[in-house]
Amino acid sequence: DAGVTQSPTHLIKTRGQHVTLRCSPISGHKSVSWYQQVLGQGPQFIFQYYEKEERGRGNFPDRFSARQFPNYSSELNVNALLLGDSALYLCASSYGVLETQYFGPGTRLLVL
Amino acid sequence: GESVGLHLPTLSVQEGDNSIINCAYSNSASDYFIWYKQESGKGPQFIIDIRSNMDKRQGQRVTVLLNKTVKHLSLQIAATQPGDSAVYFCAENSLSGGFKTIFGAGTRLFVKA
Repeated sequence: DAGVTQSPTHLIKTRGQHVTLRCSPISGHKSVSWYQQVLGQGPQFIFQYYEKEERGRGNFPDRFSARQFPNYSSELNVNALLLGDSALYLCASSYGVLETQYFGPGTRLLVL
Repeated sequence: GESVGLHLPTLSVQEGDNSIINCAYSNSASDYFIWYKQESGKGPQFIIDIRSNMDKRQGQRVTVLLNKTVKHLSLQIAATQPGDSAVYFCAENSLSGGFKTIFGAGTRLFVKA
């Protein structure tokens, strides 16, 4: 069975640009969560979506947004990129909101 | 604010010994706790979880203990192997006020052959 997949694997952007990251959950999973992991730190929770609705939000600015599609895949959008947005962006899927999350390999974003 | 933290940032053990990784949490409303293992260049990998209505759960070579009185979580790895070398994170999940999950900073486990 395919695990959580994310695209792209790596991305380089410049300050002020916009980025869209994509995630496909494990088949049958209806919840997708997004995390930001800065080098040397634990993942920081950004959003959780379940059945296409936002069910949780972390302490991130409004430049960060996400959505979930009818097939349960998800996109994370970040506007007006800052140097500090450079990080590994992780997607995790689960059957439900408070169920075991399975992580993808992440998208490594570098903002120059 | 609420936080999940780890007592030891680095742990070095001899192959075959048991490892214990500790974690403190501060949100008494947390419903669900998870331990993850993260190897270099990979996403976190689920190891074991425990609900707030339990105090112990065992898996294959791993045991998680939850002490709600002192808000403490631990991961015990039996007969530690070189393949166990990684960074370990504890995480707490809650539904109060919407879903939230908080990860600790991580403990790096070195297993000496």
